[in-house]
Amino acid sequence: EPEVTQTPSHQVTQMGQEVILRCVPISNHLYFYWYRQILGQKVEFLVSFYNNEISEKSEIFDDQFSVERPDGSNFTLKIRSTKLEDSAMYFCASRVGGTNEKLFFGSGTQLSVL
Amino acid sequence: AQSVTQPDIHITVSEGASLELRCNYSYGATPYLFWYVQSPGQGLQLLLKYFSGDTLVQGIKGFEAEFKRSQSSFNLRKPSVHWSDAAEYFCAVGAYYGQNFVFGPGTRLSVLP
Repeated sequence: EPEVTQTPSHQVTQMGQEVILRCVPISNHLYFYWYRQILGQKVEFLVSFYNNEISEKSEIFDDQFSVERPDGSNFTLKIRSTKLEDSAMYFCASRVGGTNEKLFFGSGTQLSVL
Repeated sequence: AQSVTQPDIHITVSEGASLELRCNYSYGATPYLFWYVQSPGQGLQLLLKYFSGDTLVQGIKGFEAEFKRSQSSFNLRKPSVHWSDAAEYFCAVGAYYGQNFVFGPGTRLSVLP
């Protein structure tokens, strides 16, 4: 089965530093997502991206967050100035299109902010 | 707003025993319902989904789930659990992916040899 690839699997950073989480969605997919899961809590939606622009974002996705598809294969999530509460597992996901298509998730990047 | 509850935080079963994981949802219209599994260090893998039609849906790895509209439930079942089924299981509901695609808090399954 095709896979969504996320790198790195674990990222440690100091509070206030910028981090970029990288994802390679499945090649023919058109819709891209970031979700996060704080330890012991629910998986939460952050942002969806289609046709090179954000199509929807949650309250969590404030000005400190941005997404980009820089080269047609990568899909990145940038946190400009990390806070302790940004520590979480971040999942990238992608799908082909249509309302009932399967959503493929990556294995996640565990972000630890110290 | 839609919501999902999974009443059991942690369930332990013996290998070979049957399993039922509970999921209750609140949704204003006909829901799309999903079960995902997350093994340690892995991403979220779709086990099965319900959109319409037969209320008993079959998924991968021998799992099935039954949609009961009257009870707002979508419980996951497996007749005989294997040690490799130990993982976190998430129920999710939504009409489309994005803001309105909501995950439950998860149920952690432990399997005794």
